[in-house]
Amino acid sequence: EPEVTQTPSHQVTQMGQEVILRCVPISNHLYFYWYRQILGQKVEFLVSFYNNEISEKSEIFDDQFSVERPDGSNFTLKIRSTKLEDSAMYFCASSGFGTSGGAPYNEQFFGPGTRLTVL
Amino acid sequence: GNSVTQMEGPVTLSEEAFLTINCTYTATGYPSLFWYVQYPGEGLQLLLKATKADDKGSNKGFEATYRKETTSFHLEKGSVQVSDSAVYFCALSEVSMEGSQGNLIFGKGTKLSVKP
Repeated sequence: EPEVTQTPSHQVTQMGQEVILRCVPISNHLYFYWYRQILGQKVEFLVSFYNNEISEKSEIFDDQFSVERPDGSNFTLKIRSTKLEDSAMYFCASSGFGTSGGAPYNEQFFGPGTRLTVL
Repeated sequence: GNSVTQMEGPVTLSEEAFLTINCTYTATGYPSLFWYVQYPGEGLQLLLKATKADDKGSNKGFEATYRKETTSFHLEKGSVQVSDSAVYFCALSEVSMEGSQGNLIFGKGTKLSVKP
């Protein structure tokens, strides 16, 4: 069964350093997302990406964040200068599109996550 | 704006007990509703979904019915097992009739512990 993969599983970095989190979405999917989950808190939307551009972003996704689909298979999240509060689990998701019983739906498949620890 | 509210946890049950986790939502348009499960140390997995009013999603003995009149999507299971211990997230996604995608909005999660 196709799945979303993420690397690395755990990333430890020093405050102020740049990190790149990598995701390989399901191959025929068109929409890509990043979410994060600070320990013990709810999952929060960061950004969605379609047709090689950002389609929606949350207020969390400030100028320190960027996303890219560099080669048609990978989907990356870059944090330019990490802060302590960026420590979280980052989830990538992808979706195709379609209908269920005549109604449109959006089923997103999640990767296993990358745990980012900023020291 | 859109939001999801689910019951606070943690919830502790004995094996074979009945489970209900309440979830209500606020949304405009035509949201799809989801339950995701997160087992310890793992990522999010879709448990079940419903895309329109009165739909019932079901999987692995869990069920939830999309109730537009009460804006609810409560998760139920008749007999829980130890292996059901996890965090359960209710979520919604709005999708336009033209098919444009929408991000998922999650509730805070409810931790379920099932004791033997």
